[in-house]
Amino acid sequence: AQKVTQAQTEISVVEKEDVTLDCVYETRDTTYYLFWYKQPPSGELVFLIRRNSFDEQNEISGRYSWNFQKSTSSFNFTITASQVVDSAVYFCALSEEYMFSGGYNKLIFGAGTRLAVHP
Amino acid sequence: SQTIHQWPATLVQPVGSPLSLECTVEGTSNPNLYWYRQAAGRGLQLLFYSVGIGQISSEVPQNLSASRPQDRQFILSSKKLLLSDSGFYLCAWSVSGRATGELFFGEGSRLTVL
Repeated sequence: AQKVTQAQTEISVVEKEDVTLDCVYETRDTTYYLFWYKQPPSGELVFLIRRNSFDEQNEISGRYSWNFQKSTSSFNFTITASQVVDSAVYFCALSEEYMFSGGYNKLIFGAGTRLAVHP
Repeated sequence: SQTIHQWPATLVQPVGSPLSLECTVEGTSNPNLYWYRQAAGRGLQLLFYSVGIGQISSEVPQNLSASRPQDRQFILSSKKLLLSDSGFYLCAWSVSGRATGELFFGEGSRLTVL
């Protein structure tokens, strides 16, 4: 069965520190997708990144970077030089490719990691 | 551009009362629609999804139901709320036909059942 584990419940850092949020997933499929979402205090989930299982290249977007390692079933997220605005709950999610007509996306979410960045 | 709205944002209801949360999407046609629930300190659980008008699939047995009376309208209902129905409910949509596409979420509705 699919499962996403975010072992870090809460992380507290001081501004400008680097921080890594861990994500470990379980799936039996060879084709799957991994996501990271950010949930700021307002509550709305904001999409950050999608990765498919055939692309293990690390990705960098500004201060954000993602490390995907199939060998360890991990998809970790690093924020460099953290800022107060990065304070939020971050969710990792897994989706296996469904071939239904019309297609739908069943995301399995981890429990989330609450990141607090202090000035 | 596409937008998604859900309301009400906050709701406090007594046990046994009915519930209706509404979600609408604009700027796209035939979206896949979803209802998720986020319990305090926990991840998101998929409750219902819909790939078309009148087509509802339930992921978990529960006290809630969903309906899709129009292409871009998704409603979450209950006839009699339970204390365990309290939580943060999120509506989301994705592009139809793209089973690997990302989900776009609404602002959420916080339900407290007393």
